[in-house]
Amino acid sequence: SFELTQPPSVSVSPGQTASISCSGDNLGATYASWYQLKPGQPPVLIIYQDTKRPSGIPERFSASNSANIATLTISGTQAMDEGDYFCQAWHNRIVVFGGGTKLTV
Amino acid sequence: QVQLQESGPGVVKPSETLSLTCTVSGGSISGHYWSWIRQPAGKGLEWIGRIYYTGNTIYNPSLKRRATMSVDTSKNELSLELTSVTAADTAVYFCALTLVVAAPWFDPWGPGTLVTVSS
Repeated sequence: SFELTQPPSVSVSPGQTASISCSGDNLGATYASWYQLKPGQPPVLIIYQDTKRPSGIPERFSASNSANIATLTISGTQAMDEGDYFCQAWHNRIVVFGGGTKLTV
Repeated sequence: QVQLQESGPGVVKPSETLSLTCTVSGGSISGHYWSWIRQPAGKGLEWIGRIYYTGNTIYNPSLKRRATMSVDTSKNELSLELTSVTAADTAVYFCALTLVVAAPWFDPWGPGTLVTVSS
Protein backbone atom coordinates (compact mmCIF):
# COMPACT_ATOMS: atom_id res chain seq x y z
CA SER A 1 0.00 0.00 0.00
CA PHE A 2 1.03 3.58 -0.60
CA GLU A 3 2.58 5.24 2.43
CA LEU A 4 3.92 8.70 3.21
CA THR A 5 6.85 8.84 5.63
CA GLN A 6 7.69 11.90 7.70
CA PRO A 7 10.34 12.38 10.41
CA PRO A 8 8.67 12.22 13.83
CA SER A 9 10.24 15.45 14.98
CA VAL A 10 12.18 18.48 13.78
CA SER A 11 13.72 21.15 15.98
CA VAL A 12 14.66 24.65 14.85
CA SER A 13 15.83 27.84 16.53
CA PRO A 14 13.68 30.95 16.16
CA GLY A 15 14.51 32.81 12.98
CA GLN A 16 16.11 29.81 11.33
CA THR A 17 14.80 27.67 8.47
CA ALA A 18 12.90 24.46 9.16
CA SER A 19 12.50 21.73 6.58
CA ILE A 20 10.07 18.83 6.91
CA SER A 21 10.24 15.98 4.43
CA CYS A 22 7.49 13.65 3.23
CA SER A 23 8.57 10.64 1.20
CA GLY A 24 6.49 8.28 -0.86
CA ASP A 25 6.92 6.13 -3.94
CA ASN A 26 6.77 8.46 -6.94
CA LEU A 27 5.09 11.13 -4.81
CA GLY A 28 6.07 13.75 -7.36
CA ALA A 29 3.56 12.24 -9.80
CA THR A 30 0.65 13.54 -7.71
CA TYR A 31 -0.09 16.69 -5.77
CA ALA A 32 0.97 17.05 -2.13
CA SER A 33 -0.71 19.19 0.49
CA TRP A 34 0.40 20.19 3.97
CA TYR A 35 -1.55 20.88 7.16
CA GLN A 36 -0.63 22.44 10.48
CA LEU A 37 -2.22 21.08 13.65
CA LYS A 38 -2.16 22.66 17.07
CA PRO A 39 -3.69 21.16 20.22
CA GLY A 40 -7.41 21.71 20.46
CA GLN A 41 -7.66 23.27 17.02
CA PRO A 42 -8.70 21.86 13.65
CA PRO A 43 -6.04 21.28 11.01
CA VAL A 44 -5.16 24.29 8.88
CA LEU A 45 -4.26 23.95 5.22
CA ILE A 46 -0.93 25.67 4.59
CA ILE A 47 0.06 24.28 1.17
CA TYR A 48 -1.96 22.71 -1.64
CA GLN A 49 -1.10 21.53 -5.13
CA ASP A 50 2.55 21.11 -4.11
CA THR A 51 3.47 24.79 -3.81
CA LYS A 52 0.38 27.01 -3.44
CA ARG A 53 -0.40 28.93 -0.27
CA PRO A 54 -4.03 29.65 0.67
CA SER A 55 -4.84 33.26 1.44
CA GLY A 56 -3.80 34.18 4.96
CA ILE A 57 -0.87 31.77 5.12
CA PRO A 58 2.40 33.67 5.62
CA GLU A 59 4.97 33.77 2.83
CA ARG A 60 7.53 32.10 5.08
CA PHE A 61 5.78 28.81 4.29
CA SER A 62 6.86 27.24 1.00
CA ALA A 63 7.02 23.75 -0.40
CA SER A 64 8.22 21.57 -3.25
CA ASN A 65 7.43 18.11 -4.59
CA SER A 66 9.63 16.10 -6.92
CA ALA A 67 10.44 12.45 -7.52
CA ASN A 68 9.81 10.69 -4.20
CA ILE A 69 9.97 13.61 -1.76
CA ALA A 70 7.81 16.57 -0.88
CA THR A 71 9.37 19.17 1.37
CA LEU A 72 7.79 21.87 3.51
CA THR A 73 10.09 24.79 4.28
CA ILE A 74 9.48 27.43 6.91
CA SER A 75 11.80 30.39 6.59
CA GLY A 76 12.40 32.63 9.60
CA THR A 77 10.54 30.20 11.84
CA GLN A 78 8.54 31.80 14.62
CA ALA A 79 7.42 30.42 17.95
CA MET A 80 3.84 30.41 16.68
CA ASP A 81 4.85 27.86 14.03
CA GLU A 82 5.34 25.18 16.66
CA GLY A 83 2.94 22.30 16.13
CA ASP A 84 2.37 19.14 14.15
CA TYR A 85 2.63 19.08 10.37
CA PHE A 86 1.07 16.47 8.12
CA CYS A 87 1.57 15.89 4.43
CA GLN A 88 -1.24 14.45 2.30
CA ALA A 89 -1.50 12.96 -1.16
CA TRP A 90 -3.95 11.13 -3.43
CA HIS A 91 -3.09 7.67 -4.67
CA ASN A 92 -5.33 5.11 -6.36
CA ARG A 93 -8.44 7.06 -5.37
CA ILE A 94 -7.46 7.09 -1.70
CA VAL A 95 -6.30 10.01 0.41
CA VAL A 96 -3.15 9.20 2.33
CA PHE A 97 -1.69 11.24 5.18
CA GLY A 98 1.86 11.12 6.45
CA GLY A 99 2.44 10.15 10.05
CA GLY A 100 3.09 13.75 11.06
CA THR A 101 6.10 15.73 12.21
CA LYS A 102 6.26 17.60 15.50
CA LEU A 103 8.01 20.92 14.94
CA THR A 104 9.69 22.37 18.03
CA VAL A 105 10.83 25.98 17.91
CA GLN B 1 -16.57 31.80 4.37
CA VAL B 2 -17.87 28.27 4.77
CA GLN B 3 -17.98 27.00 8.34
CA LEU B 4 -18.49 23.42 9.47
CA GLN B 5 -19.63 22.04 12.80
CA GLU B 6 -19.58 18.38 13.74
CA SER B 7 -21.97 16.96 16.30
CA GLY B 8 -22.49 13.55 17.80
CA PRO B 9 -23.07 11.47 20.94
CA GLY B 10 -19.62 11.72 22.49
CA VAL B 11 -19.67 8.13 23.75
CA VAL B 12 -20.62 4.99 21.84
CA LYS B 13 -20.68 1.44 23.16
CA PRO B 14 -18.52 -1.23 21.53
CA SER B 15 -20.21 -3.07 18.66
CA GLU B 16 -22.78 -0.27 18.23
CA THR B 17 -23.07 2.31 15.45
CA LEU B 18 -21.45 5.73 15.62
CA SER B 19 -23.54 8.49 14.02
CA LEU B 20 -22.22 11.99 13.37
CA THR B 21 -23.60 15.08 11.66
CA CYS B 22 -21.72 17.95 10.08
CA THR B 23 -23.68 21.18 9.65
CA VAL B 24 -22.46 23.52 6.94
CA SER B 25 -23.07 27.26 7.21
CA GLY B 26 -21.98 30.24 5.16
CA GLY B 27 -22.29 28.31 1.93
CA SER B 28 -24.14 25.52 0.21
CA ILE B 29 -23.38 21.84 0.24
CA SER B 30 -24.40 21.72 -3.38
CA GLY B 31 -21.66 21.70 -5.95
CA HIS B 32 -18.96 20.49 -3.60
CA TYR B 33 -17.14 17.46 -2.29
CA TRP B 34 -16.98 16.81 1.46
CA SER B 35 -14.83 14.47 3.50
CA TRP B 36 -14.71 12.87 6.91
CA ILE B 37 -11.30 12.52 8.56
CA ARG B 38 -10.40 11.30 12.03
CA GLN B 39 -7.48 11.52 14.43
CA PRO B 40 -7.04 9.10 17.32
CA ALA B 41 -5.42 10.66 20.36
CA GLY B 42 -1.69 11.00 19.86
CA LYS B 43 -1.84 9.59 16.37
CA GLY B 44 -2.03 10.77 12.80
CA LEU B 45 -4.87 11.67 10.50
CA GLU B 46 -6.94 9.01 8.75
CA TRP B 47 -9.21 9.80 5.82
CA ILE B 48 -12.55 8.03 6.13
CA GLY B 49 -14.06 8.95 2.80
CA ARG B 50 -15.45 11.57 0.48
CA ILE B 51 -18.96 12.38 -0.70
CA TYR B 52 -20.17 14.58 -3.52
CA TYR B 53 -23.34 16.62 -2.99
CA THR B 54 -25.12 14.24 -5.36
CA GLY B 55 -24.39 11.36 -2.99
CA ASN B 56 -21.51 9.75 -4.87
CA THR B 57 -19.01 8.35 -2.40
CA ILE B 58 -15.48 6.99 -2.11
CA TYR B 59 -14.44 5.21 1.08
CA ASN B 60 -11.11 4.28 2.59
CA PRO B 61 -10.86 0.48 2.21
CA SER B 62 -9.15 0.32 5.61
CA LEU B 63 -12.55 0.77 7.25
CA LYS B 64 -13.72 -2.49 5.68
CA ARG B 65 -17.07 -1.16 4.52
CA ARG B 66 -18.17 -0.09 8.02
CA ALA B 67 -18.58 3.55 7.02
CA THR B 68 -21.56 5.13 5.29
CA MET B 69 -21.73 8.82 4.36
CA SER B 70 -24.77 10.76 3.21
CA VAL B 71 -25.84 14.33 2.47
CA ASP B 72 -29.04 16.23 3.10
CA THR B 73 -29.00 19.27 0.84
CA SER B 74 -32.27 20.58 2.30
CA LYS B 75 -30.64 20.82 5.72
CA ASN B 76 -27.12 21.59 4.44
CA GLU B 77 -25.86 18.65 6.46
CA LEU B 78 -23.53 15.70 6.03
CA SER B 79 -23.76 12.49 7.98
CA LEU B 80 -21.41 9.67 8.85
CA GLU B 81 -22.31 6.28 10.25
CA LEU B 82 -19.66 3.81 11.38
CA THR B 83 -20.88 0.36 12.35
CA SER B 84 -19.46 -2.25 14.74
CA VAL B 85 -17.23 0.22 16.53
CA THR B 86 -14.34 -0.81 18.76
CA ALA B 87 -11.92 1.09 20.96
CA ALA B 88 -9.79 1.63 17.87
CA ASP B 89 -12.50 3.95 16.54
CA THR B 90 -12.03 6.36 19.45
CA ALA B 91 -10.90 9.57 17.81
CA VAL B 92 -11.64 13.18 17.02
CA TYR B 93 -13.78 13.19 13.90
CA PHE B 94 -13.57 16.09 11.45
CA CYS B 95 -15.60 17.03 8.41
CA ALA B 96 -13.95 19.16 5.76
CA LEU B 97 -14.70 20.86 2.48
CA THR B 98 -12.83 18.96 -0.18
CA LEU B 99 -11.44 20.79 -3.18
CA VAL B 100 -10.40 18.71 -6.13
CA VAL B 101 -8.17 19.61 -9.04
CA ALA B 102 -6.53 16.37 -10.17
CA ALA B 103 -6.13 15.57 -6.48
CA PRO B 104 -7.99 16.63 -3.36
CA TRP B 105 -7.12 18.92 -0.49
CA PHE B 106 -9.16 19.96 2.54
CA ASP B 107 -10.10 23.50 3.52
CA PRO B 108 -11.72 24.45 5.81
CA TRP B 109 -12.19 21.86 8.52
CA GLY B 110 -14.73 21.76 11.29
CA PRO B 111 -13.45 21.99 14.88
CA GLY B 112 -13.91 18.25 15.30
CA THR B 113 -15.89 16.16 17.73
CA LEU B 114 -14.45 13.61 20.11
CA VAL B 115 -16.02 10.18 20.01
CA THR B 116 -15.07 7.68 22.68
CA VAL B 117 -15.94 4.02 22.32
CA SER B 118 -16.51 2.66 25.78
CA SER B 119 -18.97 0.48 27.63
